[in-house]
Amino acid sequence: DTAVSQTPKYLVTQMGNDKSIKCEQNLGHDTMYWYKQDSKKFLKIMFSYNNKELIINETVPNRFSPKSPDKAHLNLHINSLELGDSAVYFCASSPHDRENTEAFFGQGTRLTVV
Amino acid sequence: QQQVKQSPQSLIVQKGGIPIINCAYENTAFDYFPWYQQFPGKGPALLIAIRPDVSEKKEGRFTISFNKSAKQFSLHIMDSQPGDSATYFCAAKYDSSYKLIFGSGTRLLVRP
Repeated sequence: DTAVSQTPKYLVTQMGNDKSIKCEQNLGHDTMYWYKQDSKKFLKIMFSYNNKELIINETVPNRFSPKSPDKAHLNLHINSLELGDSAVYFCASSPHDRENTEAFFGQGTRLTVV
Repeated sequence: QQQVKQSPQSLIVQKGGIPIINCAYENTAFDYFPWYQQFPGKGPALLIAIRPDVSEKKEGRFTISFNKSAKQFSLHIMDSQPGDSATYFCAAKYDSSYKLIFGSGTRLLVRP
């Protein structure tokens, strides 16, 4: 009965490969996000989608391409992986409503590029 | 440019102590200030949040103090327990924004 679920939880891959991370939310939220957490635990937003429309793209290299097939899903595809892409990637969702604005996070995908 | 500055980076207290984590923000348009708690291997989870029309909010053992004129807010954990050991993040956003801006995090260790 997970609210925000992302797969896989762990991903180890070689430099130059292409990989995808999937995210699904069953909360009925309009807005979904991808955040990157680096080795120092710093959380930085990468993308935000509202009703399948891209709202925020935070100067992320264009090797990263989010795709939202519907309101409940936001996947992240990464081309030509580099060592510096190693991090934990979190999917999140929230309503876009002044009275209820809590963001719910998935458990994270630890990406290791070797 | 870091819009939300958080300190300290790490904090160790004894069980029963009152750890205090501080955050300062720059953008006066921010009007929602949540605190998130993250355990190892898990995603951040909302702990407590405040809006700038109040100076303090309590939920159980967790209290946010908010100083609008100083553009600062802090988290106090009363009667801290070893189970409170986690990383704590302050954050800020303004209502029309889709972006939650996080502080750099504080690793809290509560010793038994």
